[in-house]
Amino acid sequence: AQSVSQHNHHVILSEAASLELGCNYSYGGTVNLFWYVQYPGQHLQLLLKYFSGDPLVKGIKGFEAEFIKSKFSFNLRKPSVQWSDTAEYFCAVNAGGYNKLIFGAGTRLAVHP
Amino acid sequence: DGGITQSPKYLFRKEGQNVTLSCEQNLNHDAMYWYRQDPGQGLRLIYYSQIVNDFQKGDIAEGYSVSREKKESFPLTVTSAQKNPTAFYLCASSMPGTTYEQYFGPGTRLTVT
Repeated sequence: AQSVSQHNHHVILSEAASLELGCNYSYGGTVNLFWYVQYPGQHLQLLLKYFSGDPLVKGIKGFEAEFIKSKFSFNLRKPSVQWSDTAEYFCAVNAGGYNKLIFGAGTRLAVHP
Repeated sequence: DGGITQSPKYLFRKEGQNVTLSCEQNLNHDAMYWYRQDPGQGLRLIYYSQIVNDFQKGDIAEGYSVSREKKESFPLTVTSAQKNPTAFYLCASSMPGTTYEQYFGPGTRLTVT
């Protein structure tokens, strides 16, 4: 069965620190990859997505992610986090052309001023 | 203003009662989904519907039921058979045949005592 692993469940950073959140998936074929973010009290919203083409994807608010097919990974990065980045981040995969997303368990990020 | 609405935001029920959560979308999306979000477990798919009058079980359908009589609406009933119903429930929609990006509603927090 397809699955998504997010290795960091809780991350605590100071403002201006760099961020990298890991995401690995298990599926050997074509995938669409997503990072969603859930700010406190807000809707789950799309941060960025990979569909095809350039494996380095840029999203909103300075986030980016790199799809590395050989490693089945889609790690999320931001060079300098802000307090407002405090949120829960979810990696998700659509695989096999089915109209479903498989979500990881999420990573809670807390950024301290 | 297009989007997904879920009501109510908070819902309280006594054990043994069925309860129906509302989800409406005006995005003209064909596909709709229900997820359950629990701390540390990410989003788990309960049911999904790709078209009116059709729906499929997700990974944790036991104790839940849905209907899809209209394109805009996908209500979820949490039955008394659901052993652990207290959770945050998210509704989403997407347009099949695209990048499978899903749009989420604000969620309903259900507490059963």
